[in-house]
Amino acid sequence: DVKVTQSSRYLVKRTGEKVFLECVQDMDHENMFWYRQDPGLGLRLIYFSYDVKMKEKGDIPEGYSVSREKKERFSLILESASTNQTSMYLCASSPHRDYGYTFGSGTRLTVV
Amino acid sequence: AQSVAQPEDQVNVAEGNPLTVKCTYSVSGNPYLFWYVQYPNRGLQFLLKYITGDNLVKGSYGFEAEFNKSQTSFHLKKPSALVSDSALYFCVLRWVDSSYKLIFGSGTRLLVRP
Repeated sequence: DVKVTQSSRYLVKRTGEKVFLECVQDMDHENMFWYRQDPGLGLRLIYFSYDVKMKEKGDIPEGYSVSREKKERFSLILESASTNQTSMYLCASSPHRDYGYTFGSGTRLTVV
Repeated sequence: AQSVAQPEDQVNVAEGNPLTVKCTYSVSGNPYLFWYVQYPNRGLQFLLKYITGDNLVKGSYGFEAEFNKSQTSFHLKKPSALVSDSALYFCVLRWVDSSYKLIFGSGTRLLVRP
């Protein structure tokens, strides 16, 4: 089975800190995604990448950046964390546009 | 604009009874439709998808969904609910020109009581 691993289940950070969320997949998928999940809003796409060193903005990229130096790893960066970035963050990967995505277990980030 | 709607925040059903979780969509062009389930404190798990072909799609854990183009719906169904089906369910849309992006519904919480 494809596995998508997010390095932390829970994180607590202070306002203004730089935060790194890491995601690794083990099935050589080209496409990787970062979503945030908030109650009543479903999942919203932050950034995605369809190749190494390639990235595209999703629907809510403000306050975030990403890095994809290797195919298996896709990092989400909060340059200066703010309380409105408190959320559940989900990473996903996909090999092909028709296939269902595989999601990681999520990182619940709290910014205080 | 492309969109997907789940009109019910929560669905309650007794164990053993049939369940339906509703989803409607709006898209120009042909839709790709998915259902995902999320158990507490976990990531999303793929249940089933409609790409083309038969309108009735069978998926994991006994779930199925019916694609209805005229009503632009993709309702999730199961003939006999289990308590363990209690979870958060998301209807998800892609379309031919969407590149790799998904649009998620707001989610429906299913509660199956014993």
